[in-house]
Amino acid sequence: ETGVTQSPTHLIKTRGQQVTLRCSSQSGHNTVSWYQQALGQGPQFIFQYYREEENGRGNFPPRFSGLQFPNYSSELNVNALELDDSALYLCASSHSGGSDNEQFFGPGTRLTVL
Amino acid sequence: TQLLEQSPQFLSIQEGENLTVYCNSSSVFSSLQWYRQEPGEGPVLLVTVVTGGEVKKLKRLTFQFGDARKDSSLHITAAQTGDTGLYLCAGTKSDKLIFGTGTRLQVFP
Repeated sequence: ETGVTQSPTHLIKTRGQQVTLRCSSQSGHNTVSWYQQALGQGPQFIFQYYREEENGRGNFPPRFSGLQFPNYSSELNVNALELDDSALYLCASSHSGGSDNEQFFGPGTRLTVL
Repeated sequence: TQLLEQSPQFLSIQEGENLTVYCNSSSVFSSLQWYRQEPGEGPVLLVTVVTGGEVKKLKRLTFQFGDARKDSSLHITAAQTGDTGLYLCAGTKSDKLIFGTGTRLQVFP
């Protein structure tokens, strides 16, 4: 059974640029959630995708967008990058309706905006 | 707006000591989870508590969910250097996880 994987592991961008982060969900999982974790803080919920549709969104502006593909993998896109977007971006997969709503996290993508 | 506040924010102790981490909220959650996160990795689930007043034990770790399902605590007995990491509580609302502010624990030999 393959766990959650994310790519790339590290990324450096400049203000105003656009970035795409990728996540492959764990086998058998149909739901992907994205989180932003600033240094020294807990993860903040960005949005969740279930069956290729957005299924809930946190307090993030529209320049944060996402996609989920038929194989349940997912992308997070951020446009017009700002310095404060520098963070660890975590992806978590789960099986909707599964017991305890357990989410399995990937190792994250560390984004630095200069 | 952080719905879940953890305390303390930082904790530095020696091996063998006991410690308690608190997770408090004014909101009611359907369940609450505790995670540990190590540098360069995503959070790893330690336990889920569902029922108000529930107590769960995982070796030297004891987790309690408050009677009103608004708060929780994590108690570690005889801490070891391997317990070092970032401890996160997370409440479940409408199938979404809301994470706490985190407690960074450093255990020295």
